Amino acid sequence: NAGVTQTPKFQVLKTGQSMTLQCAQDMNHNSMYWYRQDPGMGLRLIYYSASEGTTDKGEVPNGYNVSRLNKREFSLRLESAAPSQTSVYFCASTILAGGSLAGELFFGEGSRLTVL
Amino acid sequence: AQSVTQLDSQVPVFEEAPVELRCNYSSSVSVYLFWYVQYPNQGLQLLLKYLSGSTLVKGINGFEAEFNKSQTSFHLRKPSVHISDTAEYFCAGRGISSGSARQLTFGSGTQLTVLP
Repeated sequence: NAGVTQTPKFQVLKTGQSMTLQCAQDMNHNSMYWYRQDPGMGLRLIYYSASEGTTDKGEVPNGYNVSRLNKREFSLRLESAAPSQTSVYFCASTILAGGSLAGELFFGEGSRLTVL
Repeated sequence: AQSVTQLDSQVPVFEEAPVELRCNYSSSVSVYLFWYVQYPNQGLQLLLKYLSGSTLVKGINGFEAEFNKSQTSFHLRKPSVHISDTAEYFCAGRGISSGSARQLTFGSGTQLTVLP
């Protein structure tokens, strides 16, 4: 019972390098999300996908792009990494379409990214 | 816009003592409220949620929370904590009006440390 799987779990980048964080869920959920977690700031929404084929900006989208590849997969890309993007990134999903007002979010275990 | 404030960044408490983690929300519309727990090096998991109805909500691991509309609070309580409750706790809220307020907003987190 995998739930939400994120890869890689750890990554170190140099400033200006690019990379993609992968996320896949096996719960047939419609909505998927990318958050970043920084000390003392809780979780901030980067991008979300309310349903397959749609993506929308969250609170902190600058410097990121996303792709909802299919219903299962939602990737986050850093085109030119900056030290300010050093963070722990979480992917989450929920079952209902339209962003799920009442549904529980299921989280992956996180991807720890360091940009030097 | 919906915002969620967790009043304490760190709460140390002795084992078997009661604990209260405080959360206040701001909104001019109805809200759904959640508490999530994050154990070290893991993703977040749902403790409990308030959608409507009874203002006292019971969750997993013996936690409960009380929704207080007049004080715009949703404090989390446990009558007797265990060492295994040591974790970071996040309050989150979602407005149920249309637009960006529908997205889940997290507080900055409270680190609960249970001491032997």
